[in-house]
Amino acid sequence: EIVMTQSPATLSVSPGERATLSCRASQSVGSNLAWFQQKPGQAPRLLIYGGSTRVAGIPARFSGSGSGTDFTLTISSLQSEDFAVYFCQQYHNWPPFTFGPGTKVDI
Amino acid sequence: QVQLQQWGAGLLKPSETLSLTCAVYGELFSGYYWSWIRQPPGKGLEWLGEVTHSGRTNYNPSLKSRVTISVDTSQSQFSLKLSSVTAADTAVYYCARRTDYFDSRGASYYYMDVWGKGTKVTVSS
Repeated sequence: EIVMTQSPATLSVSPGERATLSCRASQSVGSNLAWFQQKPGQAPRLLIYGGSTRVAGIPARFSGSGSGTDFTLTISSLQSEDFAVYFCQQYHNWPPFTFGPGTKVDI
Repeated sequence: QVQLQQWGAGLLKPSETLSLTCAVYGELFSGYYWSWIRQPPGKGLEWLGEVTHSGRTNYNPSLKSRVTISVDTSQSQFSLKLSSVTAADTAVYYCARRTDYFDSRGASYYYMDVWGKGTKVTVSS
């Protein structure tokens, strides 16, 4: 099973600032990585797949990069609606699909 | 626009069987894998397993002995059963659609792009 880790656990930023979230896999997953956003009381929402491809309708301020074992989600200028928990997930080797523990972005 | 509507018992006693169902609206049922994922309170996401319209399944090895995912294509529904539940199975359970996409370069992508709203399940004596 591929183990996903994320850092930091919590990221405190101000609106308008840049946020950089990290995700690491225990072995190479190529570019087979997705990022999700989850707000309290809601289901996760897919933001990015393929490490860097934004889902239709996701603002351009969200960008993903990386391959192999190290990935980054960058939010270029945080908006109030971006404060949430972000999860990475690998789909390189399954079952099982595995998720990271999440990074909470708050003020 | 595809929507997933899920339902099932929200309170169980230890040793009982959890049973949830997810209905698919607004999209073809075939051509996708249909997944169950859970999230314990304040924790991360755990993929439980998936099923196709033909009944082909994949399960998380850590839960395989207790999980059964089935499909009812006539109703465009799929279901989760988790046996012998304990307090550790307390979680919000989500159903989700997995889309498989293959681009012109031959790259393949498998992502969960549509989710149900979640069902809170509590296991308590």
